[in-house]
Amino acid sequence: DTEVTQTPKHLVMGMTNKKSLKCEQHMGHRAMYWYKQKAKKPPELMFVYSYEKLSINESVPSRFSPECPNSSLLNLHLHALQPEDSALYLCASSHRTGQRYGYTFGSGTRLTVV
Amino acid sequence: KNEVEQSPQNLTAQEGEFITINCSYSVGISALHWLQQHPGGGIVSLFMLSSGKKKHGRLIATINIQEKHSSLHITASHPRDSAVYICAVDPHFGNEKLTFGTGTRLTIIP
Repeated sequence: DTEVTQTPKHLVMGMTNKKSLKCEQHMGHRAMYWYKQKAKKPPELMFVYSYEKLSINESVPSRFSPECPNSSLLNLHLHALQPEDSALYLCASSHRTGQRYGYTFGSGTRLTVV
Repeated sequence: KNEVEQSPQNLTAQEGEFITINCSYSVGISALHWLQQHPGGGIVSLFMLSSGKKKHGRLIATINIQEKHSSLHITASHPRDSAVYICAVDPHFGNEKLTFGTGTRLTIIP
């Protein structure tokens, strides 16, 4: 298995909703990443997990809450989002943060906040 | 901070043409990634380069560490190659943040 699987592919949520994005990989990668990508822009790093521990938080608002329950799974919990949070959310994984071999992106979740 | 520049920003070519996309960066790196993104889609990692040249099918990536420059070539281009191609650099092993270029939008006309 050489994929990073993200679910759901599309999500529409209201500003008062609570939802979660899920990311899964079974490549034995110990580094996992969340990115946010607005249209026609490069991805922006949000969070990095290394060996299931949060190692980087790029000053992301607290309405985004990451969780790494085990080495294969990464979640992004969403609460009280704003319309400007609408974007493509990408998950990625790599061998380790210090050796970024096998850097693999998921196909993303397209989030619309209404 | 590493500045990553790609050229051209947009490229339209006829099917079958040889395509070259360039990436330059300002600070020494440990590795460079070439990524592909189809419209509305996720990102596919094409290559990770530390030196020299790599080939996969019709895609060839080269890097010149001294000149801080990399190129992505597509031979016998096909409409399905139409996508945004992004280069991203790893400043140092151990640094956890890639720096992305702004991408090259490639359109191949049948």
